[in-house]
Amino acid sequence: EAQVTQNPRYLITVTGKKLTVTCSQNMNHEYMSWYRQDPGLGLRQIYYSMNVEVTDKGDVPEGYKVSRKEKRNFPLILESPSPNQTSLYFCASSLRDSSYEQYFGPGTRLTVT
Amino acid sequence: GEDVEQSLFLSVREGDSSVINCTYTDSSSTYLYWYKQEPGAGLQLLTYIFSNMDMKQDQRLTVLLNKKDKHLSLRIADTQTGDSAIYFCAESMRGSARQLTFGSGTQLTVLP
Repeated sequence: EAQVTQNPRYLITVTGKKLTVTCSQNMNHEYMSWYRQDPGLGLRQIYYSMNVEVTDKGDVPEGYKVSRKEKRNFPLILESPSPNQTSLYFCASSLRDSSYEQYFGPGTRLTVT
Repeated sequence: GEDVEQSLFLSVREGDSSVINCTYTDSSSTYLYWYKQEPGAGLQLLTYIFSNMDMKQDQRLTVLLNKKDKHLSLRIADTQTGDSAIYFCAESMRGSARQLTFGSGTQLTVLP
């Protein structure tokens, strides 16, 4: 089954404790991205990757890092999480940079206390 | 910059039609989308329309685009309880995922 998976689905952590949210897709997609969803703000893009070893900032990259060492994986790293990073995070992928064929993961709800 | 606006809430009775509205500011938008997000799930693309079209129909869904007013609407005929979800309007230039801008989402509640 074609899918985008994220782990963990739920995470509660404390300020400053490094964490990684994993994202994996099994469709051999070149393009992957991370979004955060906040009430009343819709989805905002954090980082995207056009292909292996090619990543770039989206609209709200501050406080986040990503890496793309393999085509299928695109982890989101919070080196020192803060409460304003409490949010719902989505990973998405598409064959290329095409918005009409993006697949979204199920989401990771992160709470930073 | 680009901006996409939607009302936050809509309630309808089961069997009625729902109309969810969206306005956007970027006149160069070429692709306009409607996504559905069910509780605890990711976004699912419902339908999209090119900016050179006025209308697109797909079973119970009708999308209307007024390019002059930069207004997009999604009509759901015979709304069912399974249609309860958050609906996001989004726009993109040239269909690029990098340039996809989402609205804030409209929570549709279908009452029995």
